[in-house]
Amino acid sequence: GAVVSQHPSWVICKSGTSVKIECRSLDFQATTMFWYRQFPKQSLMLMATSNEGSKATYEQGVEKDKFLINHASLTLSTLTVTSAHPEDSSFYICSARSAGTPKGQFFGPGTRLTVL
Amino acid sequence: LAKTTQPISMDSYEGQEVNITCSHNNIATNDYITWYQQFPSQGPRFIIQGYKTKVTNEVASLFIPADRKSSTLSLPRVSLSDTAVYYCLVGGNTNAGKSTFGDGTTLTVKP
Repeated sequence: GAVVSQHPSWVICKSGTSVKIECRSLDFQATTMFWYRQFPKQSLMLMATSNEGSKATYEQGVEKDKFLINHASLTLSTLTVTSAHPEDSSFYICSARSAGTPKGQFFGPGTRLTVL
Repeated sequence: LAKTTQPISMDSYEGQEVNITCSHNNIATNDYITWYQQFPSQGPRFIIQGYKTKVTNEVASLFIPADRKSSTLSLPRVSLSDTAVYYCLVGGNTNAGKSTFGDGTTLTVKP
């Protein structure tokens, strides 16, 4: 149990285009989802926290108009990187906090974004 | 928000027991302590979670003293495949609250 999926697992796009990453909790309901980005040999950096049905809360320094987060249901959250630039290239990881059983916070496998 | 501090790196040999300690001095009453393992280019994998005293599962044990200001992840008889980065995460299991990672501990298991 407690499986979180992400799609796509990797994506390469041209500068200026937008990319959407999906995060799903497959066997549990998640009222809270988190989006992180991770650069090589660094820890995960929290970008935003979203609760189902409400607007996401962004961390300081993260542009909400550039990183659009939608948490439309208890099992799905999406992150859209708008007008992507090479500096947005990173490893993006979503996480879902279980509302019941199993208890805890579980992570997706990550999405490698490369912007050319 | 409870800040966590861990050793940056640790070395061990196959078959040894490894203990990684995390400090979280300002842990809140409703915070749980969760440990994760991460391999390169993968998402963190849940290892174990606890609130107080000792928790054991099929892969690890978690020791939490009475004041809960630290916790120790114990990995029995490590193998080469346990080489990874280990993170402790302190936070609530309710809807509220952020979930912020510390720097993690890079464990290297040698033959």
